[in-house]
Amino acid sequence: GAGVSQSPRYKVAKRGQDVALRCDPISGHVSLFWYQQALGQGPEFLTYFQNEAQLDKSGLPSDRFFAERPEGSVSTLKIQRTQQEDSAVYLCASSSVDLNTEAFFGQGTRLTVV
Amino acid sequence: QKEVEQDPGPLSVPEGAIVSLNCTYSNSAFQYFMWYRQYSRKGPELLMYTYSSGNKEDGRFTAQVDKSSKYISLFIRDSQPSDSATYLCATPYSSASKIIFGSGTRLSIRP
Repeated sequence: GAGVSQSPRYKVAKRGQDVALRCDPISGHVSLFWYQQALGQGPEFLTYFQNEAQLDKSGLPSDRFFAERPEGSVSTLKIQRTQQEDSAVYLCASSSVDLNTEAFFGQGTRLTVV
Repeated sequence: QKEVEQDPGPLSVPEGAIVSLNCTYSNSAFQYFMWYRQYSRKGPELLMYTYSSGNKEDGRFTAQVDKSSKYISLFIRDSQPSDSATYLCATPYSSASKIIFGSGTRLSIRP
């Protein structure tokens, strides 16, 4: 596809449930980012991949959060034992390796934990 | 102190007005600065980016960086209702790494 694709667009999870969020980056983009955006706030960095290597996971808020990109393309963000404070929009972005100034974002997955 | 600070607004102006959106940053090592536009329930969309100090113009949009005061601005001329969105300033922490965002300014253009 032409842009970054995320699925599902909306997810409602019961507290304690595990969820998996998917990101399909732009073809050929080696860098992939996950961000969390709370209501009324800017995106907050979670983790960064260059190809299949996870180079920075400093933004993951707890060990309940896990991300992978096993073949250097599609990425999955997994949240275990979801809590209400995990409710947010999860954004994925991709860019060429030397051009993180031109990162392109998907539409996000809105997660609501009830 | 957040590394990129932005007035959250909201900011409401009449159609045709010149809009000024501003951010400050704390780390003098930051070199690139970006502006993203985010419509409701959409992902951020890159508007433009600038390197170091100076101005960059793209149609009705002008981005300005003043490194001496660590101040970033986005000007929108002849504002349109379709410009109503949240505007996010951002900077890469370093080359090929995370991007740091301001909290966003919500802008509304009144017809």
